[in-house]
Amino acid sequence: QKEVEQDPGPLSVPEGAIVSLNCTYSNSAFQYFMWYRQYSRKGPELLMYTYSSGNKEDGRFTAQVDKSSKYISLFIRDSQPSDSATYLCAMSGRAAGNKLTFGGGTRVLVKP
Amino acid sequence: DAEITQSPRHKITETGRQVTLACHQTWNHNNMFWYRQDLGHGLRLIHYSYGVQDTNKREVSDGYSVSRSNTEDLPLTLESAASSQTSVYFCASSDRETQYFGPGTRLLVL
Repeated sequence: QKEVEQDPGPLSVPEGAIVSLNCTYSNSAFQYFMWYRQYSRKGPELLMYTYSSGNKEDGRFTAQVDKSSKYISLFIRDSQPSDSATYLCAMSGRAAGNKLTFGGGTRVLVKP
Repeated sequence: DAEITQSPRHKITETGRQVTLACHQTWNHNNMFWYRQDLGHGLRLIHYSYGVQDTNKREVSDGYSVSRSNTEDLPLTLESAASSQTSVYFCASSDRETQYFGPGTRLLVL
């Protein structure tokens, strides 16, 4: 069983809808939780990171961490076609800049 | 602007050949990483380094090696390329809070 599980999708939504993404994990030592966005044939880029449990909001993006359930989520409000990408969750036990364990990624398509 | 670059961007090689993928960053980060990305597996860490002369393996490191002689570069060597090493390889460097990824190298081993 993988340490981090993520539905591969694809997840197709109409423009303006809320996109809901999530990951589950098994390693209770994870303390730092990240979401990366990856466009086709590009390297991943960091969207948000959260330390421990709680919520964090940045513009249209909200990240939630529930350590008791070993479950993290990313919500994208007012989705745009430019949000079409693969979204990867990642986790670390020490620091966000430390070695990461990734989920498999969810492909998101936002249709105009 | 600081950046991280990888070369070559595409590489085709034959089974058994030695291949070296280059990674260069200009942020002066101590931490550097190599990942491979395959369908169904996401990004998997191969090697990492927390500074010059420091290198560490992970579970998928068989057949790969790295060396760190300066802060800027972490080349990844495939000692004897195998078809199972066909993949997209990403290099990253990080400060405490963020990993910055390069554009990737697509490697095909025939």
